Amino acid sequence: AQSVAQPEDQVNVAEGNPLTVKCTYSVSGNPYLFWYVQYPNRGLQFLLKYITGDNLVKGSYGFEAEFNKSQTSFHLKKPSALVSDSALYFCAVRDLSGNTPLVFGKGTRLSVIA
Amino acid sequence: KAGVTQTPRYLIKTRGQQVTLSCSPISGHRSVSWYQQTPGQGLQFLFEYFSETQRNKGNFPGRFSGRQFSNSRSEMNVSTLELGDSALYLCASSLEVGLVYEQYFGPGTRLTVT
Repeated sequence: AQSVAQPEDQVNVAEGNPLTVKCTYSVSGNPYLFWYVQYPNRGLQFLLKYITGDNLVKGSYGFEAEFNKSQTSFHLKKPSALVSDSALYFCAVRDLSGNTPLVFGKGTRLSVIA
Repeated sequence: KAGVTQTPRYLIKTRGQQVTLSCSPISGHRSVSWYQQTPGQGLQFLFEYFSETQRNKGNFPGRFSGRQFSNSRSEMNVSTLELGDSALYLCASSLEVGLVYEQYFGPGTRLTVT
């Protein structure tokens, strides 16, 4: 069965510093990988998706994610954090082989401190 | 362009009743997916529809069902409501052309079961 783990419940980073939100996954085949963000009182938003191709995926708001097949990871990154990046981030995975549902991680709360 | 709309925004139902939630996707988007968000279980995928066909389904009991109409609008139905069905139900519409993918979420329907 497919699964996804976000090992950190909370990540704190100073404004202007690089940020990383970690995600590891487990699938039997090849993965579709997603990152979503949920801002307070603004709903859920799609950030980026990995299907195939380049291991570095660029998304919205300056975010990018690095796909690492050997480490089964898909960490979300941003070179310089903004206070407005403070939100709840979700990683999700779907196994490309077969008709499997999308599975979400528990979420990581990012706090960017001015 | 208009975003994803969900109706109603808030709903209070009693155990044993049934409920129907509606989602209107962004114009031109043929895929609609549904998600349940609760404090305990987090984000969970319910189902995805594309051109009136269910393309994928999450691990939910048969009480949860959905459908999509020819204009891409979608409804989900929950029968015999249980207290644990209290949640935020999110709908998203998406468009995938080659490697280009966009997905937008609605504001959600907050269902309370008493």
